[in-house]
Amino acid sequence: GAGVSQTPSNKVTEKGKYVELRCDPISGHTALYWYRQSLGQGPEFLIYFQGTGAADDSGLPNDRFFAVRPEGSVSTLKIQRTERGDSAVYLCASSGTSSYNEQFFGPGTRLTVL
Amino acid sequence: GIQVEQSPPDLILQEGANSTLRCNFSDSVNNLQWFHQNPWGQLINLFYIPSGTKQNGRLSATTVATERYSLLYISSSQTTDSGVYFCAVSSIKAAGNKLTFGGGTRVLVKP
Repeated sequence: GAGVSQTPSNKVTEKGKYVELRCDPISGHTALYWYRQSLGQGPEFLIYFQGTGAADDSGLPNDRFFAVRPEGSVSTLKIQRTERGDSAVYLCASSGTSSYNEQFFGPGTRLTVL
Repeated sequence: GIQVEQSPPDLILQEGANSTLRCNFSDSVNNLQWFHQNPWGQLINLFYIPSGTKQNGRLSATTVATERYSLLYISSSQTTDSGVYFCAVSSIKAAGNKLTFGGGTRVLVKP
C-alpha cells in the first residue's frame, strides 16, 4: 500500500487476555519499528526489526510483550496477560533500506484494557 | 540514553502569526525528524533534517548539529496548524535508527 497500515484501529480487551496487533509496512521497507504512546506523552520505542530479525528489543517493557516479523514484511506485536497499564496507542513505523532513513508512521492501534 | 527537550510546551497563536519551536538534544545524532500529530493521532512527517535547513511551504526547519538543537518555523499560521509538534532524534550511539521523542509542543491557532 501507499503507507503504513495497522489493524485493528481500536482494541478493547479485558485484563488478563491476550492480544495481537498487526502492522503492514510500506512496500519494500526493510526496517520496521514499534512504539507506544501514552496519553499526553511522546511515543516511546519498543522494538526494531531489520528484515526478519529483531535487531533491538531493548524497549519492550517485560516478557509479556513479544513481536515477530517472519517474512520480513508484516509484523505482529503480541501482548500476553494484558494489564490496565498496557492501555496506550501502539504505533508502527517503517523506513527504507538504509539504517538512517526517514521513518513513516501508521495510524496506530488504540488498546484499552478494562 | 539521549535526552530530547522541546520548548515551549504550549503555544497559543492568533491566525496569521509566526512562531518558532525549539528542540534541544543531549548527544550527536544521525537522524532528526519533525512531526505534526493531528487531532486523530496520526503522525505526519514534516522534515527529515539531521543537519542544515529545509523549507516546505509555510514551514521551515534548521538543525545545528554541532550545537545540538533544531528549530521549526511556522509562518502565517492557520487553524489547521493546530496539534502537537514532535521532534524525534536517533543517537549515533544507538543501534539501528530508533527514535527518541521529545515531549512535544501543543499548538493552538485561534481564528
